[in-house]
Amino acid sequence: SAVISQKPSRDICQRGTSLTIQCQVDSQVTMMFWYRQQPGQSLTLIATANQGSEATYESGFVIDKFPISRPNLTFSTLTVSNMSPEDSSIYLCSVELGEGGGEAFFGQGTRLTVV
Amino acid sequence: DQQVKQNSPSLSVQEGRISILNCDYTNSMFDYFLWYKKYPAEGPTFLISISSIKDKNEDGRFTVFLNKSAKHLSLHIVPSQPGDSAVYFCAASGSGTYKYIFGTGTRLKVLA
Repeated sequence: SAVISQKPSRDICQRGTSLTIQCQVDSQVTMMFWYRQQPGQSLTLIATANQGSEATYESGFVIDKFPISRPNLTFSTLTVSNMSPEDSSIYLCSVELGEGGGEAFFGQGTRLTVV
Repeated sequence: DQQVKQNSPSLSVQEGRISILNCDYTNSMFDYFLWYKKYPAEGPTFLISISSIKDKNEDGRFTVFLNKSAKHLSLHIVPSQPGDSAVYFCAASGSGTYKYIFGTGTRLKVLA
């Protein structure tokens, strides 16, 4: 298993500002993932962050809006830039151990409210 | 297009009875399915999984059934306990891929 520490756990931000969410894993992992859960919606994958390469973004998500860093095998950050109320969501980082197709482990999430 | 659907947003069950949570999918390339449980202010935690080569997987009080022809899976919790009250997500992925597609979740409430 993996233990994931994510912070902040929640924040209230002014529109137009940016927030950086940090994700720390207790073991080295190749792939880390960032999800968003909007109110009443499913978890939606934003991007995959591999150490040493650019993040891979899913359809509908762009690097300018959600820049991601992955400086080493245990840490990643997601920035939500130029926020608007529509960005109010829970953001979760996740890791998967193994080659793929196995269970994923999630951080506790960051509840973001943009006012 | 919602590839993984949980059509019941909520479910209430009496303690000790069976809880049945359902999930439908549309993509026939999915071959691995997982259930996650989520408590408020916590990230989802893995519960149980099943690969497409099986039609049933059991772990204690939790059993997942897969009906490939119907593209349907279900999670059975027997007996249900108040601590099982949470939101349950089903998720699906294709062979060897890392991408999970999640359903919208079903909120289970187990009444004491």
